[in-house]
Amino acid sequence: AQSVTQLGSHVSVSEGALVLLRCNYSSSVPPYLFWYVQYPNQGLQLLLKYTSAATLVKGINGFEAEFKKSETSFHLTKPSAHMSDAAEYFCAVSGNAGNMLTFGGGTRLMVKP
Amino acid sequence: SAVISQKPSRDICQRGTSLTIQCQVDSQVTMMFWYRQQPGQSLTLIATANQGSEATYESGFVIDKFPISRPNLTFSTLTVSNMSPEDSSIYLCSVEDRARGSYEQYFGPGTRLTVT
Repeated sequence: AQSVTQLGSHVSVSEGALVLLRCNYSSSVPPYLFWYVQYPNQGLQLLLKYTSAATLVKGINGFEAEFKKSETSFHLTKPSAHMSDAAEYFCAVSGNAGNMLTFGGGTRLMVKP
Repeated sequence: SAVISQKPSRDICQRGTSLTIQCQVDSQVTMMFWYRQQPGQSLTLIATANQGSEATYESGFVIDKFPISRPNLTFSTLTVSNMSPEDSSIYLCSVEDRARGSYEQYFGPGTRLTVT
């Protein structure tokens, strides 16, 4: 069984500030971990993924995430927020290739000018 | 990455009717998935659809309510049957791009369904 917890359903940052979106997971097998972004009225876009290679994963739009097995975490960060980063972010876990994704509850990121 | 299209993009339906949502992929894929995203909530998997076999439904979803077809490796449909307002959601299909040796799932743009 697997599950994902995203701490904070809403996160607000100022433009130019650090973005930190938290994700903790549980999985009975080595996990594959993903971050997706959903802009208003759009589908999901893959930001980045962890699939047992490097623990620090770089994605699109300047985002990165670090897999920490000891903390069962996969937090998403970006050094400097842009207004265009305002969206809903979902963390997801998959136990094996071909398995379904289990999503966290999502975090809505708001960026203040 | 796989390019996925869904039809219709949105619809408003009356309760008691059914709607069939189509999902088309630009390449052959083994695994296709259907998700539901209720208003303001996260995604929940409805079922996994493999070509040539019956769809596998998650707890809380049944074939009579959400029949799925998977006639080939690039296409699938999800029907929402006997709709009620509680079925108002975004329905998304996704595929796993195994051809590239990755474990990424790509999502279609979604079908926004409103049931009145």
